[in-house]
Amino acid sequence: EAGVTQFPSHSVIEKGQTVTLRCDPISGHDNLYWYRRVMGKEIKFLLHFVKESKQDESGMPNNRFLAERTGGTYSTLKVQPAELEDSGVYFCASSQTVGGISYEQYFGPGTRLTVT
Amino acid sequence: AQKITQTQPGMFVQEKEAVTLDCTYDTSDPSYGLFWYKQPSSGEMIFLIYQGSYDQQNATEGRYSLNFQKARKSANLVISASQLGDSAMYFCAMRNSGYALNFGKGTSLLVTP
Repeated sequence: EAGVTQFPSHSVIEKGQTVTLRCDPISGHDNLYWYRRVMGKEIKFLLHFVKESKQDESGMPNNRFLAERTGGTYSTLKVQPAELEDSGVYFCASSQTVGGISYEQYFGPGTRLTVT
Repeated sequence: AQKITQTQPGMFVQEKEAVTLDCTYDTSDPSYGLFWYKQPSSGEMIFLIYQGSYDQQNATEGRYSLNFQKARKSANLVISASQLGDSAMYFCAMRNSGYALNFGKGTSLLVTP
């Protein structure tokens, strides 16, 4: 069974540019999450999808970040325009819900974003 | 607010020895879950073990066990018989009523021969 995959693994962009990160969850997992770790800080929750619906986006830092999950499969996270403080590692995770119980979240390898 | 504290930024352990990684948490919710993840140098986050707040027994998964002390709000990870491949960052995380995980800052573990 394939794990959570993320693309690209690394991205270096200039301030003001746009970047789109992609996450493919484990097949059959309805729940998809985005997290971010900036240098020296904790991993922080960004948002949570259940299928194609945003269940919780309380962690999104500002309106320069836009996440989508069309069709309830893969998800994209767009940063437009990127700022220096957006640099960090962006993780995607997925989990399944069975009988109302959400199981452990499986993480992807992350996308390392560097804004110069 | 929910908070996870990992007070050990770095730990050393000799191969084949046991090591305990500390984690304390703060929450007012009676229902919560505690997780440990391993992040090797390759970057991926690997789920290790889970403990529910209502679980009566400490969770175990192979060489990993979680020393859950509810009254002290601690959820320490114990790795027995350390191996060189255990060298990695270890993150403690908590989930409350929602789905989001709250992470600690992590502990870097180095296993020496």
